[in-house]
Amino acid sequence: GNSVTQMEGPVTLSEEAFLTINCTYTATGYPSLFWYVQYPGEGLQLLLKATKADDKGSNKGFEATYRKETTSFHLEKGSVQVSDSAVYFCALSEGETSGSRLTFGEGTQLTVNP
Amino acid sequence: DGGITQSPKYLFRKEGQNVTLSCEQNLNHDAMYWYRQDPGQGLRLIYYSQIVNDFQKGDIAEGYSVSREKKESFPLTVTSAQKNPTAFYLCASSTSGQGTYEQYFGPGTRLTVT
Repeated sequence: GNSVTQMEGPVTLSEEAFLTINCTYTATGYPSLFWYVQYPGEGLQLLLKATKADDKGSNKGFEATYRKETTSFHLEKGSVQVSDSAVYFCALSEGETSGSRLTFGEGTQLTVNP
Repeated sequence: DGGITQSPKYLFRKEGQNVTLSCEQNLNHDAMYWYRQDPGQGLRLIYYSQIVNDFQKGDIAEGYSVSREKKESFPLTVTSAQKNPTAFYLCASSTSGQGTYEQYFGPGTRLTVT
């Protein structure tokens, strides 16, 4: 079946540091890929998405590129802020046969210190 | 404002009691979903519904039940058969049909059973 693997956390960085959170996936078809963010005590918010190979999703300084050859969708940000502290989830859709059902990774806790 | 409402935010129950979690959306979405989140883990799909009066089991449906009598509402009942019900429950909705659409999440309900 489909699966998503994220780098283990927690990740702790200083403000203005470079961020990479690795995400790889296993899928039988051609999934769409997503990054969601969860702030403490809240639901998930969509951060960015990519629907086909080589697409780059971007939002709020975060970027991720859909790499079919390496089955990866790594999240990057050039300069993190304290307000970026949250849990980040990589997810994939299971395609049209299952509607918009998502498979999530385990999440990566990010803490940014001033 | 369009969005997803979950109530209550915190819920406490005694072991052996059934409890129903509310989820309402005014986004005019056809599809709705229930997830369970445990500390340090990703989201696991409990049930989902792509249209009124129809729903499917997710990966961990045992001990849960749902109904979808209205497009706007998708309540989840945690029954006494659920062996470990204490968790954070998240409801989501999305457009359905051809293509892949991101899911929009509610703020969640934290259920504690003692």
